[in-house]
Amino acid sequence: ELKVEQNPLFLSMQEGKNYTIYCNYSTTSDRLYWYRQDPGKSLESLFVLLSNGAVKQEGRLMASLDTKARLSTLHITAAVHDLSATYFCAVIIQGAQKLVFGQGTRLTINP
Amino acid sequence: KAGVTQTPRYLIKTRGQQVTLSCSPISGHRSVSWYQQTPGQGLQFLFEYFSETQRNKGNFPGRFSGRQFSNSRSEMNVSTLELGDSALYLCASSGIGTGAEQYFGPGTRLTVT
Repeated sequence: ELKVEQNPLFLSMQEGKNYTIYCNYSTTSDRLYWYRQDPGKSLESLFVLLSNGAVKQEGRLMASLDTKARLSTLHITAAVHDLSATYFCAVIIQGAQKLVFGQGTRLTINP
Repeated sequence: KAGVTQTPRYLIKTRGQQVTLSCSPISGHRSVSWYQQTPGQGLQFLFEYFSETQRNKGNFPGRFSGRQFSNSRSEMNVSTLELGDSALYLCASSGIGTGAEQYFGPGTRLTVT
C-alpha cells in the first residue's frame, strides 16, 4: 500500500527565512504533485514533478524530486506572509487515477 | 475555460438522512475523482469515474456511491449519514490518460448533526 509522509506537519517561521518541507513515499510512482490549501478552500496545484531529478520553481517556491530516494522537497526562499497555508504532496498510484496525499504541512509565516 | 464546479457548496444534514453532491468537470475532461477531507483522516480517495464507469474505488463503506452521466457530470451519494461523514468533499477532473493532472473544484462542506 502506498504511503506518503510529510514532515514537518507544523511549521512556524519568520518572514525572510528559508525552509524545506519533505515528502517521502513508500513505492514507485509515475509522478508527484504539490498543492496549496488556504483555510476553508480547495486545493490549488503548485507543481507536477514527472521524473527523477525534476526541479520546478515558481516565485519563492521550488520543488524537486528524487525518485530513487522516493523523496520530494518543497523549498521556501525568503518567506513572506502570503505563503501561509497548508501544503500537501500527493503521489499518483501507478496505472490508476488515484492520488494518495501526505498529511499536509501547516505553514505559518510571522512578520 | 471554466473550472470544476460543485454544488451545493454547503450542506447541513441530520444523522440517518442521505445526501447527493454534484460535480461538473472542466469541459472535455472525462475523468472525475472524489476525495473526502477530514481533520482526522486527511485527504482520502473515494472513487473515480471515467466514461460513466467506475474505474477505481477507495476504502469506504458501501454507503458511499457515485455515478457519472454521459456529459461527464458526476454525483456522489451518501446514505444513512453518520456524524463522521462531516467533511469537505472535493471532486477533481482530468483529461485522458492515467496520471493526467487533476484539477480540483471548490468542494462541498457537509455537516452532519
